[in-house]
Amino acid sequence: KAGVTQTPRYLIKTRGQQVTLSCSPISGHRSVSWYQQTPGQGLQFLFEYFSETQRNKGNFPGRFSGRQFSNSRSEMNVSTLELGDSALYLCASSIPGSDTQYFGPGTRLTVL
Amino acid sequence: QQQVKQSPQSLIVQKGGISIINCAYENTAFDYFPWYQQFPGKGPALLIAIRPDVSEKKEGRFTISFNKSAKQFSLHIMDSQPGDSATYFCAARRSNTGKLIFGQGTTLQVKP
Repeated sequence: KAGVTQTPRYLIKTRGQQVTLSCSPISGHRSVSWYQQTPGQGLQFLFEYFSETQRNKGNFPGRFSGRQFSNSRSEMNVSTLELGDSALYLCASSIPGSDTQYFGPGTRLTVL
Repeated sequence: QQQVKQSPQSLIVQKGGISIINCAYENTAFDYFPWYQQFPGKGPALLIAIRPDVSEKKEGRFTISFNKSAKQFSLHIMDSQPGDSATYFCAARRSNTGKLIFGQGTTLQVKP
């Protein structure tokens, strides 16, 4: 079974731009969560989607948004990029009712 | 109340030794405590997990010890190997959410 895939793997943007990251969960997984990983703040929860609905949201500004499609694929969008948004963005998927979250390799975003 | 505190920040162990990483939490609503292993350039991978109704869980060389009254849990890696060199994260999750709260991580180096 293929794992969680994230595209693109690397991205360079400049301040003020916006970016969209994509996540394809493991087949059959309907829950998708997003995390931001930085050296200073560690791994921080962004949001969780299930059946196209946002179920939980972390403490991030409204510039961070996401959505989930009917095939469980998810996207997250960051608008008006700031230097501090440079991070590894990780997506994790899980089966409803299961504890285990499977992480993708992440998208490395660099904001210049 | 949402924090998970992890120590030490870094750890150097000789091959064959025991690696011990500790975590503490405050929120008694947490009901699932996983440990993740992350290699450079990769997403976190689930290593082992425990629920608070169990005091210890062992999988191969990896053991979680859980102390509910002290609100602490720890990861023990027996017979540590150079291939175990990675960053380890503890995490906690409230019931019925997909939101994982991560510790700050421990960088483990196992010397041959």
